Amino acid sequence: NAGVTQTPKFRVLKTGQSMTLLCAQDMNHEYMYWYRQDPGMGLRLIHYSVGEGTTAKGEVPDGYNVSRLKKQNFLLGLESAAPSQTSVYFCASSYSAGSNQPQHFGDGTRLSIL
Amino acid sequence: AQRVTQPEKLLSVFKGAPVELKCNYSYSGSPELFWYVQYSRQRLQLLLRHISRESIKGFTADLNKGETSFHLKKPFAQEEDSAMYYCALLNTGGFKTIFGAGTRLFVKA
Repeated sequence: NAGVTQTPKFRVLKTGQSMTLLCAQDMNHEYMYWYRQDPGMGLRLIHYSVGEGTTAKGEVPDGYNVSRLKKQNFLLGLESAAPSQTSVYFCASSYSAGSNQPQHFGDGTRLSIL
Repeated sequence: AQRVTQPEKLLSVFKGAPVELKCNYSYSGSPELFWYVQYSRQRLQLLLRHISRESIKGFTADLNKGETSFHLKKPFAQEEDSAMYYCALLNTGGFKTIFGAGTRLFVKA
């Protein structure tokens, strides 16, 4: 049981390049989330999804797009990478919303934009 | 505005000493608060939630609405407690979790 798997683990991009980060969960969770983690700022929510085919903006959505075509996958896209998007990206999932449903996190993707 | 503040970036204590990781929040509604922990080379994981009033690995946290705080406490720190700790607040509706900046706890032998 892998839980939440993020691909890739590391990546270096040049400014202006595009890429997609993949998050896959095998727990049949409805809710999925993408966060970015920057020094001194904790985790900030980029986008989230409450079910297959649905997405919503989080706290810092600009410059990112997401898709949830399949329940188990949540993709985060950078159309034109910028140095400000250098960060560690975490995906998480939960069965549903609410305090009784903790989020399960992936290992993170370290992304550097040159 | 909804906000979670962890004033200490780093907290260093000796093994066996009491430890308190501070967390203050700003939220207009009725808060639901959590502590998450990330041990070295492990994933971020839930440690405890205020609604459960539980003690996990000797840690407890009490919600103080008057002081808008949710400090994490342990009477006797162990070396294996060394980790990054995040306080988090779940907003109304339960869709968004707001994290603090985190406190790195270092327990010295």
